[in-house]
Amino acid sequence: RKEVEQDPGPFNVPEGATVAFNCTYSNSASQSFFWYRQDCRKEPKLLMSVYSSGNEDGRFTAQLNRASQYISLLIRDSKLSDSATYLCVVTPLMDTGRRALTFGSGTRLQVQP
Amino acid sequence: EPEVTQTPSHQVTQMGQEVILRCVPISNHLYFYWYRQILGQKVEFLVSFYNNEISEKSEIFDDQFSVERPDGSNFTLKIRSTKLEDSAMYFCATSQGNTDTQYFGPGTRLTVL
Repeated sequence: RKEVEQDPGPFNVPEGATVAFNCTYSNSASQSFFWYRQDCRKEPKLLMSVYSSGNEDGRFTAQLNRASQYISLLIRDSKLSDSATYLCVVTPLMDTGRRALTFGSGTRLQVQP
Repeated sequence: EPEVTQTPSHQVTQMGQEVILRCVPISNHLYFYWYRQILGQKVEFLVSFYNNEISEKSEIFDDQFSVERPDGSNFTLKIRSTKLEDSAMYFCATSQGNTDTQYFGPGTRLTVL
């Protein structure tokens, strides 16, 4: 089983649509969770951290379900500029505090005019 | 906003040659990482570095790879004898503390012929 699993997409949505991405992770010891965004041939950029209580940043809402080992990202009112690959990222807090990020393969979003 | 920088942006080399990839971390960051992304695949962790020593490395980071911080500024990744399968995008990332957000540089595209 992959450590972090995502639907690769692509998700093709019209401008203004709401779109949701899901991610599952296999390591129950995972402690920190993130969504990164990656544009074509560019570096990953942190979109938002994901907290157990759920969190929102403008049009973006992230949720974490530790029992199901499941993370989600909701994008409301999609913009053309939201077109990118969205990477689900987890990290185990090992006893030494090591923080290697484990990436999913990403979900591609294409927002169309 | 401070940024991680990497040089060169693109390196082409012959199989068997040594390459050195360079990264300049954000100035007050103390934790340094290398990741790689083979075209079309996910981002993979290679190594983390703190206090002038490796703190964690993955299976990918074998004896052909080494890291150092030679002058207190640059953080380098050396590949001693490149193979075709080393062709990838190599990202440097840095963080202030070991539990803090990792910020990625723009990457070096390595092409091994």
